[in-house]
Amino acid sequence: DAKTTQPNSMESNEEEPVHLPCNHSTISGTDYIHWYRQLPSQGPEYVIHGLTSNVNNRMASLAIAEDRKSSTLILHRATLRDAAVYYCILRDDSNYQLIWGAGTKLIIKP
Amino acid sequence: DGGITQSPKYLFRKEGQNVTLSCEQNLNHDAMYWYRQDPGQGLRLIYYSQIVNDFQKGDIAEGYSVSREKKESFPLTVTSAQKNPTAFYLCASSSRGLGNTEAFFGQGTRLTVV
Repeated sequence: DAKTTQPNSMESNEEEPVHLPCNHSTISGTDYIHWYRQLPSQGPEYVIHGLTSNVNNRMASLAIAEDRKSSTLILHRATLRDAAVYYCILRDDSNYQLIWGAGTKLIIKP
Repeated sequence: DGGITQSPKYLFRKEGQNVTLSCEQNLNHDAMYWYRQDPGQGLRLIYYSQIVNDFQKGDIAEGYSVSREKKESFPLTVTSAQKNPTAFYLCASSSRGLGNTEAFFGQGTRLTVV
């Protein structure tokens, strides 16, 4: 299974943009890049996913490198409610045994 | 509202006892999953089911059992054979086409052995 690498933690100021990086150098052509976030003692929440092109939704944007070996989750204007652990994972139609890393703990400073 | 419900939220088990965690979804999803999460760690797959009356072991299935008699329900039993069951358990569901669909998670059950 392809793995992802993320920084352990990042800090940002409230109301500023946040760029969360993810490396996935062994990604296959059929892997979608998914991002989830998890608040303490809660289940993960879907944020965004994409295959090749950059994606936008109401929560965030996903920028995917041209060679697909890395991606960046962009929170355009961070709020205190965005403080969470963010997971970058790869999914394809046969990959039920997902590998979840420890994610990036995002700290938002008021 | 559509969603996935886990119960109970907190569960205490004596050593040597079996306990069953409930997971129900009304999203009409075919696939359901059980994960275990230890403090500061990511999720590890215990069991998954792609369709009613069928399920497969994940990486850490030893000491656990599941059933899938109904599309909406995927209960997990933590047996006395599980040596270190204290953990946060998460249930999820998704459409069968995994790559291009999101997974929905319940709020989790925190199991503690006393």
